[in-house]
Amino acid sequence: EDKVVQSPLSLVVHEGDTVTLNCSYEVTNFRSLLWYKQEKKAPTFLFMLTSSGIEKKSGRLSSILDKKELFSILNITATQTGDSAVYLCAVEVSIWNSGNTPLVFGKGTRLSVIA
Amino acid sequence: DGGITQSPKYLFRKEGQNVTLSCEQNLNHDAMYWYRQDPGQGLRLIYYSQIVNDFQKGDIAEGYSVSREKKESFPLTVTSAQKNPTAFYLCASSIILGQGAYEQYFGPGTRLTVT
Repeated sequence: EDKVVQSPLSLVVHEGDTVTLNCSYEVTNFRSLLWYKQEKKAPTFLFMLTSSGIEKKSGRLSSILDKKELFSILNITATQTGDSAVYLCAVEVSIWNSGNTPLVFGKGTRLSVIA
Repeated sequence: DGGITQSPKYLFRKEGQNVTLSCEQNLNHDAMYWYRQDPGQGLRLIYYSQIVNDFQKGDIAEGYSVSREKKESFPLTVTSAQKNPTAFYLCASSIILGQGAYEQYFGPGTRLTVT
């Protein structure tokens, strides 16, 4: 059974801190790993990772994938209260030779940034 | 504006009643998905569809039904057979890529409460 595990489940930090969120996976036919941020309603897309060792950056957020050890991390530097959200990790598993397959989600990490 | 719409935002029903949640997208995406989210849980896949008139069961399809008569629309019916229907329901869509990775775009969600 395909599985995505995120840790920690929740985290409380002070503004300005740097945080690292973890995502490990056990899936067959890995295609990509995605990170989403969910604040109140719908998740919003952050990063898609397909290759090992290539860091993706967007402002204070960055992420990297290790396909050998089957995990990814999401880093947030100089955290702000607006970073408070649930961060979801999802893996795309390829079942057919063409077409898309649904994502397998982890349970998320709830990040709370306090002033 | 292109996007995914879900209606209604909040829905209340009595136990034993069927209820249909709407999902419409004008992104010209081929694939559409329904997820359910419970407190402290990640997203779990209910049903997905890659093309019109075709859909596949996800991990928790029991007690749900869908239709895909039009590319733009993927309504979800929560039947009286669903044991714990109270949850937050998210619809998503994506383009179809032959071998590449993709991202899913999410609607704003419908919070269903059954009493």
